Amino acid sequence: GEDVEQSLFLSVREGDSSVINCTYTDSSSTYLYWYKQEPGAGLQLLTYIFSNMDMKQDQRLTVLLNKKDKHLSLRIADTQTGDSAIYFCAEIPGGTSYGKLTFGQGTILTVHP
Amino acid sequence: GAVVSQHPSRVICKSGTSVKIECRSLDFQATTMFWYRQFPKQSLMLMATSNEGSKATYEQGVEKDKFLINHASLTLSTLTVTSAHPEDSSFYICSAQGDGANVLTFGAGSRLTVL
Repeated sequence: GEDVEQSLFLSVREGDSSVINCTYTDSSSTYLYWYKQEPGAGLQLLTYIFSNMDMKQDQRLTVLLNKKDKHLSLRIADTQTGDSAIYFCAEIPGGTSYGKLTFGQGTILTVHP
Repeated sequence: GAVVSQHPSRVICKSGTSVKIECRSLDFQATTMFWYRQFPKQSLMLMATSNEGSKATYEQGVEKDKFLINHASLTLSTLTVTSAHPEDSSFYICSAQGDGANVLTFGAGSRLTVL
């Protein structure tokens, strides 16, 4: 079955870059997503990348996709304390109807002043 | 942008009672909505796909008689946890297709605590 894995914790200093990594198993995934969840809140879509892309940049966020290794990363430049949250990567597995996302376990990002 | 509203955001109920959670798409129509469950410090697990005007499609292992889903209009889906027990305590999140065909918008979630 589909499996999405992330490292559980990341701690960085304010102003540094954060890199959150994710691996997935389904090579036929169409879209891959990054969501942010603040404590007690729902999920906020940060960015997404189509499977035929290698990179996508959106302001402080850079997504890199290595389809060969099935590896996805999210880089946050100039990390701020407000970026502290849980970050989920998610995929739509191939052959799955749109909207049935498979999520990773989430990476808890802690930003220290 | 697309907004999905969930209500209530928090609910506490006694064991054996039923609780209804609403999920509304505020500025768009959603023929399909999705219900997820999130345990503390864990990921989201898809429970069911809610289809407007038809029966919901449940994921394996999810009891359809326990978690009743109704999608009576293009902007509203409801999840009713029937005869709730403490093990049903969880964070329930809905989502709906937003602007564009490849983006899901999530609600803020509903935290259910069953005493």
